[in-house]
Amino acid sequence: EAGVAQSPRYKIIEKRQSVAFWCNPISGHATLYWYQQILGQGPKLLIQFQNNGVVDDSQLPKDRFSAERLKGVDSTLKIQPAKLEDSAVYLCASSLDEMALMDTQYFGPGTRLTVL
Amino acid sequence: AQSVTQLDSQVPVFEEAPVELRCNYSSSVSVYLFWYVQYPNQGLQLLLKYLSGSTLVESINGFEAEFNKSQTSFHLRKPSVHISDTAEYFCAVSAVRNSGNTPLVFGKGTRLSVIA
Repeated sequence: EAGVAQSPRYKIIEKRQSVAFWCNPISGHATLYWYQQILGQGPKLLIQFQNNGVVDDSQLPKDRFSAERLKGVDSTLKIQPAKLEDSAVYLCASSLDEMALMDTQYFGPGTRLTVL
Repeated sequence: AQSVTQLDSQVPVFEEAPVELRCNYSSSVSVYLFWYVQYPNQGLQLLLKYLSGSTLVESINGFEAEFNKSQTSFHLRKPSVHISDTAEYFCAVSAVRNSGNTPLVFGKGTRLSVIA
């Protein structure tokens, strides 16, 4: 079974530029998450999708971050414009059953963003 | 809201020695508890989880963790570590709901270094 795919793996941009990350969850997984992991800290949830609907985006900085999940499968996370403090690893995770209690979340390898 | 405290940021230990990685949580509601492991240059992987039932849970590679409600702890232990256990370990908590998946709240992580 293929895992969660993310691209690119690394991205370096200058502040005020825009950047987009892509995630392809495990086939059939209903729930998709984006986490931000700043160096030295644990991952922090940015947004949770259930199929193509948003369940929780309370911690997403909506003035600069946006995310969508097209047709309930792939997802993109965008930052526009980027700030220095956005330097982090962006992790995508997915889980199988939207109604099950705490299905295991499977994580992708992450995208390491450096903002100069 | 939930929070997780991992008291040790780094734990060096000699090969074949026992190890304990400490995790304490805070929550006003019942929780599920998890340990994730991140090997160098890899994504997060679920190590073990406590959802209900027996408070002692085990992983396939010899780790175990015990849920202690009175002390709000979920410490991870292994009686004899191997070089291959060198990794970053994250404790995570999630609020119990009647249905559906809830996002994980992570600790800052503990870097376990096994010394030959």
